[in-house]
Amino acid sequence: AQSVTQLGSHVSVSEGALVLLRCNYSSSVPPYLFWYVQYPNQGLQLLLKYTSAATLVKGINGFEAEFKKSETSFHLTKPSAHMSDAAEYFCAVSSFSGGYNKLIFGAGTRLAVHP
Amino acid sequence: GAGVSQSPRYKVTKRGQDVTLRCDPISSHATLYWYQQALGQGPEFLTYFNYEAQPDKSGLPSDRFSAERPEGSISTLTIQRTEQRDSAMYRCASSRQGAETQYFGPGTRLLVL
Repeated sequence: AQSVTQLGSHVSVSEGALVLLRCNYSSSVPPYLFWYVQYPNQGLQLLLKYTSAATLVKGINGFEAEFKKSETSFHLTKPSAHMSDAAEYFCAVSSFSGGYNKLIFGAGTRLAVHP
Repeated sequence: GAGVSQSPRYKVTKRGQDVTLRCDPISSHATLYWYQQALGQGPEFLTYFNYEAQPDKSGLPSDRFSAERPEGSISTLTIQRTEQRDSAMYRCASSRQGAETQYFGPGTRLLVL
């Protein structure tokens, strides 16, 4: 079975500060890992994904995440927060077995950015 | 279409009524997924389609929930005899066949009174 734990349901940072959103996963098979972002009244948008290639993955809007197998983590970072980064972020894991990609999501982290 | 669309965006219904939610995927996408997202939680898998076939419906919470995709494009999710616990955001996503990236629609927020 697979699962995802996102530490911190709410994170608040100052504009220009480092953003760190934590994600730990559990998987009995090599995982695929994803970060999605949800802006108000919009669908989930893919930020980045890890699919067993490079362990440091760069995504859109300056975000990146590092896959650390020994720590079973896939934390999301951005060096300098912008007001437009305020949104809800979801980490997800899948095994992509059987030719389809059943995503298992964490509970989400709401990021607030203040001036 | 340009993206995944869902309708209605909001639905308020009374307990015991049936509701049908619609998903229109990206036109070239063979695979379609349905997720349920309760307030304060992440989305949870309900079912998926590969064209019109529905190989996995293990996530449907009860036999009151059903989904179909008769022509391999538009899909509907029907909830019969709705209960208050069915109140949630229902999300649809689509992907190319064999691809790991899913593209999500805006969701339908269902409120059962």
